[in-house]
Amino acid sequence: NAGVTQTPKFQVLKTGQSMTLQCAQDMNHEYMSWYRQDPGMGLRLIHYSVGAGITDQGEVPNGYNVSRSTTEDFPLRLLSAAPSQTSVYFCASSTDRGNEKLFFGSGTQLSVL
Amino acid sequence: DAKTTQPTSMDCAEGRAANLPCNHSTISGNEYVYWYRQIHSQGPQYIIHGLKNNETNEMASLIITEDRKSSTLILPHATLRDTAVYYCIVRVAVLSGSARQLTFGSGTQLTVLP
Repeated sequence: NAGVTQTPKFQVLKTGQSMTLQCAQDMNHEYMSWYRQDPGMGLRLIHYSVGAGITDQGEVPNGYNVSRSTTEDFPLRLLSAAPSQTSVYFCASSTDRGNEKLFFGSGTQLSVL
Repeated sequence: DAKTTQPTSMDCAEGRAANLPCNHSTISGNEYVYWYRQIHSQGPQYIIHGLKNNETNEMASLIITEDRKSSTLILPHATLRDTAVYYCIVRVAVLSGSARQLTFGSGTQLTVLP
């Protein structure tokens, strides 16, 4: 199993550009989520999904869109990038049984100029 | 979720046991203690979790005090690869939804010295 795979690893955008961060998992996990990590802020939940076709907002959803057309994939879209979205983004997945462990991807480092 | 307090940093000699403390004095009866770690430039990695009994797996042991107000993560034979930020997280068991979010605090920077 590859686990949780994120692409790209690094990305530089100009303000106003759009892009999609990809996340895929091969563990047949129902639950997937996106976090951003900023210095001194810990990890903050952006969006999450409890299964294909179901998504919901987390703590900091503004400026991001998600969709979940398959169990495996959970892309994160930045509609119009802003410097405040400069961050490291992590995708995570887990089974949908409650107090189980989260599996994280290796992250995407995004800079918005 | 209950708040946790961890030391900012710790050193450990390679091959020795690393004991990382965590205080969670306001923990509720239905809250689990989780430990994750984050090696530089990587995603967080689950280590272990428990409710009230001590737990052990291939990575570490978790010792929870009888009153559950504190816990200790033990890496029995630390290696250089164990250098990372270790996060102690307390979270209620839930079935689904945004409550699954883990609140990562500042954690403890463990440095394993050769």
